[in-house]
Amino acid sequence: AQTVTQSQPEMSVQEAETVTLSCTYDTSESDYYLFWYKQPPSRQMILVIRQEAYKQQNATENRFSVNFQKAAKSFSLKISDSQLGDAAMYFCAYRDASNFGNEKLTFGTGTRLTIIP
Amino acid sequence: NAGVTQTPKFQVLKTGQSMTLQCAQDMNHNSMYWYRQDPGMGLRLIYYSASEGTTDKGEVPNGYNVSRLNKREFSLRLESAAPSQTSVYFCATDRGRGQPQHFGDGTRLSIL
Repeated sequence: AQTVTQSQPEMSVQEAETVTLSCTYDTSESDYYLFWYKQPPSRQMILVIRQEAYKQQNATENRFSVNFQKAAKSFSLKISDSQLGDAAMYFCAYRDASNFGNEKLTFGTGTRLTIIP
Repeated sequence: NAGVTQTPKFQVLKTGQSMTLQCAQDMNHNSMYWYRQDPGMGLRLIYYSASEGTTDKGEVPNGYNVSRLNKREFSLRLESAAPSQTSVYFCATDRGRGQPQHFGDGTRLSIL
């Protein structure tokens, strides 16, 4: 079974600075997708970024970018120019693409990010 | 607004009571999911439905049943609630292969 590990339960960063959240995963598959979700205090689950495993180029979405290292099974999230609204729990998630109809998400345990004004 | 709607948002039950959590989506997606979120454990899959008429167990199905009523609706039932089922429950949906899941706002369920 696939597993996702987020080794940093909590992180903090000064406003306007850059922070990197870590995620590693374990899988024997070659075709899969990785995601970062943000959960603010409102409890909503909001998609931040998506990465396709067969694409070597790292995904970016405005201030958010990933460092995807397939061989190392690592998928870190970098947040640049941190803003107060970035304060939230961040979840890394894995999705197997090789078993059509059985593509459930496996989540890590989350990293709570605090932004210091 | 298009999206995933969960009802109720909050509920308190006594041990042994039954309850159905409702989820409806207007995104015309085939796949629907139920997760539970507990402190320090992330989200764990309870049941999912790849298409109308099919359901499958996830990681933590014990104590739950589901019904995929039609393409739009996927309900989660607790037949005899236990304190261990105190959690936040999320419904999600997606278009399929590799696509991100869209989540409802969650139901906070407390069982005394």
